[in-house]
Amino acid sequence: GAVVSQHPSRVICKSGTSVKIECRSLDFQATTMFWYRQFPKQSLMLMATSNEGSKATYEQGVEKDKFLINHASLTLSTLTVTSAHPEDSSFYICSAIVGTSSDTQYFGPGTRLTVL
Amino acid sequence: EDQVTQSPEALRLQEGESSSLNCSYTVSGLRGLFWYRQDPGKGPEFLFTLYSAGEEKEKERLKATLTKKESFLHITAPKPEDSATYLCAVGRDNFNKFYFGSGTKLNVKP
Repeated sequence: GAVVSQHPSRVICKSGTSVKIECRSLDFQATTMFWYRQFPKQSLMLMATSNEGSKATYEQGVEKDKFLINHASLTLSTLTVTSAHPEDSSFYICSAIVGTSSDTQYFGPGTRLTVL
Repeated sequence: EDQVTQSPEALRLQEGESSSLNCSYTVSGLRGLFWYRQDPGKGPEFLFTLYSAGEEKEKERLKATLTKKESFLHITAPKPEDSATYLCAVGRDNFNKFYFGSGTKLNVKP
């Protein structure tokens, strides 16, 4: 149980284009999902907390107009990187909490974004 | 300032050579400490949650312990398949805030 999937696993795009990454909870409902980014040899940095049916809460320093998050259902959250630039190249990982009372985050397999 | 520090940054062991990884934290309002394993190019895989000082949890060759200031992940008689990066994270504020350490990259040689 508690399986989280991400799509796509890898994406390469040109500078200035937008990229959408999907995060799905496959066997449970996730009221809250989180989006992280991870640079090589570094740990996970929380970007935003996504709550179903409401606006995402962004961490300090994360541009909400650049990283658009939508959590339209209890099993799907999307992250759209708008007007991507090479410095946005990173490993993006989502996680989800089972239900509303659990505390453990279960992570997706990650999406490797490369902006040329 | 809330902080999670892991040491060592990298650890090389021979198969069967037991050791410990450290995670020290200065986080107010700690609700839980989590250990994850991350393989290259993959998302973290959940291992343990510890809630209070003195608590211990085991899974196969891994044992996690918690004090008021740090947590240890003990690896007994490791095997090459235990090679991975081990991350610890601290949850606070009803688990809406997670702070991750930078990880310990473990390499177990046969």
